[in-house]
Amino acid sequence: DGGITQSPKYLFRKEGQNVTLSCEQNLNHDAMYWYRQDPGQGLRLIYYSQIVNDFQKGDIAEGYSVSREKKESFPLTVTSAQKNPTAFYLCASERGQEAFFGQGTRLTVV
Amino acid sequence: AQSVTQPDIHITVSEGASLELRCNYSYGATPYLFWYVQSPGQGLQLLLKYFSGDTLVQGIKGFEAEFKRSQSSFNLRKPSVHWSDAAEYFCAVAPWNNNDMRFGAGTRLTVKP
Repeated sequence: DGGITQSPKYLFRKEGQNVTLSCEQNLNHDAMYWYRQDPGQGLRLIYYSQIVNDFQKGDIAEGYSVSREKKESFPLTVTSAQKNPTAFYLCASERGQEAFFGQGTRLTVV
Repeated sequence: AQSVTQPDIHITVSEGASLELRCNYSYGATPYLFWYVQSPGQGLQLLLKYFSGDTLVQGIKGFEAEFKRSQSSFNLRKPSVHWSDAAEYFCAVAPWNNNDMRFGAGTRLTVKP
């Protein structure tokens, strides 16, 4: 089945540690996105990539980094510089203005 | 800058009653418009989309939405709500010439038996 796979579903991190969230797609889409979701705030764009080896900052990129070495993969690293990383993270790919979402990763800082 | 407003944070309706969720957008031109639904702890699923043409759009699960250019609105409707419709609903806009999709804050729907 084609789709977006995010892993892990739940992730715990100690303060001061970097952590990487995985996002893989087999839809052959060029564009991929990372969103952060907090209660009552909807989805906020962290980074997006429209093509391999290229990506742009979204509205809340500080404290995050990404890479796009392969079309299928768009991992997100939450660095220790992100002051409030506990949130639900959603990855999406896009084609023809329609977004397809993964099931999300819930990150909790302990 | 484009923005999306969903004025209702939380709506409660009785099962079998009709539903309307509001969405207003601010944008220089008519963008592409979307409604997504999210069950707890899950990703988002597309309900319907409007690109052009007929302003009344039919989607999955019996939902429809009407685009009103004069009001900059794209409200979601369902004639008879089912208990399984309880979820969070997001309106989204995307300009026609790039991929910068923006989401509203969401409306949480509770369905009473």
